[in-house]
Amino acid sequence: DVKVTQSSRYLVKRTGEKVFLECVQDMDHENMFWYRQDPGLGLRLIYFSYDVKMKEKGDIPEGYSVSREKKERFSLILESASTNQTSMYLCASSFPGTTMNTEAFFGQGTRLTVV
Amino acid sequence: AQTVTQSQPEMSVQEAETVTLSCTYDTSESDYYLFWYKQPPSRQMILVIRQEAYKQQNATENRFSVNFQKAAKSFSLKISDSQLGDAAMYFCAYRKPQRLYGGSQGNLIFGKGTKLSVKP
Repeated sequence: DVKVTQSSRYLVKRTGEKVFLECVQDMDHENMFWYRQDPGLGLRLIYFSYDVKMKEKGDIPEGYSVSREKKERFSLILESASTNQTSMYLCASSFPGTTMNTEAFFGQGTRLTVV
Repeated sequence: AQTVTQSQPEMSVQEAETVTLSCTYDTSESDYYLFWYKQPPSRQMILVIRQEAYKQQNATENRFSVNFQKAAKSFSLKISDSQLGDAAMYFCAYRKPQRLYGGSQGNLIFGKGTKLSVKP
């Protein structure tokens, strides 16, 4: 089975801290994604990576950065955490969407609270 | 830009009955993929069903089926014989085919979700 693992399910951080959210997948997927999920807003794309060291901004990249040094690992970085970044963060991975294997597989999510 | 709209924030169904969740989308593409994802209270998002736009036949997976109307840009999910375990958030999602090794077309665009409750 495909597995996407996020390093923490719950995280509490202080305002101004630098926060790292880690995601690892074991299916050799080229694509990896970070989404933010808020009630009533659905899932919004923060960043997307389609290959090692390659990244593209999503819809809400402000206040975030990402790192993909290895194919299986995609990190989301909050440079200086703020209370409005309190949210659920979902990582996902997939093959390129040129084949039948177009579905994305998701991690368990990280509930981040910034106080 | 592509958008996905789920007009029903919440739905309720009696156990063993049938329920239909609505989804519409906006795109100028002719080739794309559509998905329904389920997110139970445990939070892990799982795929329920997928549809390729070039296929006219509606996808089915056991008790789950879709009504795909390409011209109307509509993609509804029907759940038959509803079970207590079907209670969850359901998200409709759109994805363009992606060029190999490039581009942001690989990401999923999600609707805001429909919370489905199942009454015993």
